[in-house]
Order: sequence, then structure tokens, then C-alpha cells
Amino acid sequence: RKEVEQDPGPFNVPEGATVAFNCTYSNSASQSFFWYRQDCRKEPKLLMSVYSSGNEDGRFTAQLNRASQYISLLIRDSKLSDSATYLCVVNPIYSSASKIIFGSGTRLSIRP
Amino acid sequence: SAVISQKPSRDICQRGTSLTIQCQVDSQVTMMFWYRQQPGQSLTLIATANQGSEATYESGFVIDKFPISRPNLTFSTLTVSNMSPEDSSIYLCSVDPGTSGSYEQFFGPGTRLTVL
Repeated sequence: RKEVEQDPGPFNVPEGATVAFNCTYSNSASQSFFWYRQDCRKEPKLLMSVYSSGNEDGRFTAQLNRASQYISLLIRDSKLSDSATYLCVVNPIYSSASKIIFGSGTRLSIRP
Repeated sequence: SAVISQKPSRDICQRGTSLTIQCQVDSQVTMMFWYRQQPGQSLTLIATANQGSEATYESGFVIDKFPISRPNLTFSTLTVSNMSPEDSSIYLCSVDPGTSGSYEQFFGPGTRLTVL
């Protein structure tokens, strides 16, 4: 079983739609969780961290479910500029010195 | 945050040769990481590069193939040795600035390597 698993997509949704991605992780001791965004031929960039209580940043909402070991990302009122690959990232140890593990990414395409 | 540059941005190399990729950070950081992203795939960690010590390699990666230098807190190099077409990939360096309360990693723009 992969340490971090995501639905690869692609998700193809119309502009203005709401779309949600899920990601599961296998290490129950994992402490830090992130969503990164990667545009085509660009490096990954942090979209948002995922906190235990859930957190929202504008149109983006991230949730963590420790009991089921999954995190989710919800995008409301999607824009054309949201088209990208979304990477679920897990830091298995509560330390900035540890490695992070990337999921395979979920491709999102927003159509006009 | 951290600003990271990589050189070269891309290269086309012949089988059997070696390429050294440079990563420069605009601030001093303890932890630097090297990743590989093969076409259509996600990122795979090659090694963690700590200043003043040997790099720590992940399973499937060895020092003879991917030697790493970390001479100071703002610079690192990754060499891809004795290249084969299977090494064609994007190589990215990243840093964890260790900002309090954040475990974000910042990535360089990547080096796109094609081996013929």
C-alpha cells in the first residue's frame, strides 16, 4: 500500500462548480499535512496546510480525519486558474527535519 | 519564505556522461532536499542534504549514482552520474526554512534533464 494515495483524476469540471479531492495516508503517526499545487512544467507550491480542526482560505477548505486517515480539499466557485495538479503531502514526524511524502497528484481541469 | 534557483534549467546529455545540478538559496537553511519527478509522476525524494555531514539517501538511490555536496548553508549540488535514458526526469531541490509553526518546503524551479 502506498504511504499517500490520491485519485489521479483527471477531474474536468465547469467554471463555478465545487470540486472535492480526497487523500488517504497509511502512517497513523503522521502529524503534518499539506496540499500543494503544481502547474504544468512548474515546481510545486504550498496551497495550504491542513489543521486538525479544518481550515479555510477563501474558496479552499481543507479537512483532516485522523480516525479514517484521510484529508480532503474542497474548492468552491472554481476558476479557470484553478486548473493544476493538486498534491497531497504528509509529514510523518513532527519535525521540520523529516522528509515529506507526496501523493501522486490529482489533475484538475476547469472548463469555461 | 525562501527563494531558490537552480542551474541548469534544462539539459540534453549523452548516455554515459554526468551532469551536476546546482541549487542556490537566498538564506541559510539547515535542511535541503533533492527530488526527482519523472514524466507524469509525482515527486520522489532522492536524498536529504545536511551541511557538514553525508547526505542521507532514500531506498533505491545510492551515492555512487547521485553524489551530493553541501559545502555551506546556502548551496548544494546533485550529480547524476553515468546517465542512461531512464534518468530523464525533472530534478528539484527544496528547502525547509524551519519557520516556527510551519513545515513548508520551498522548491526550486527544477532542472529538466533529457538523456539520449
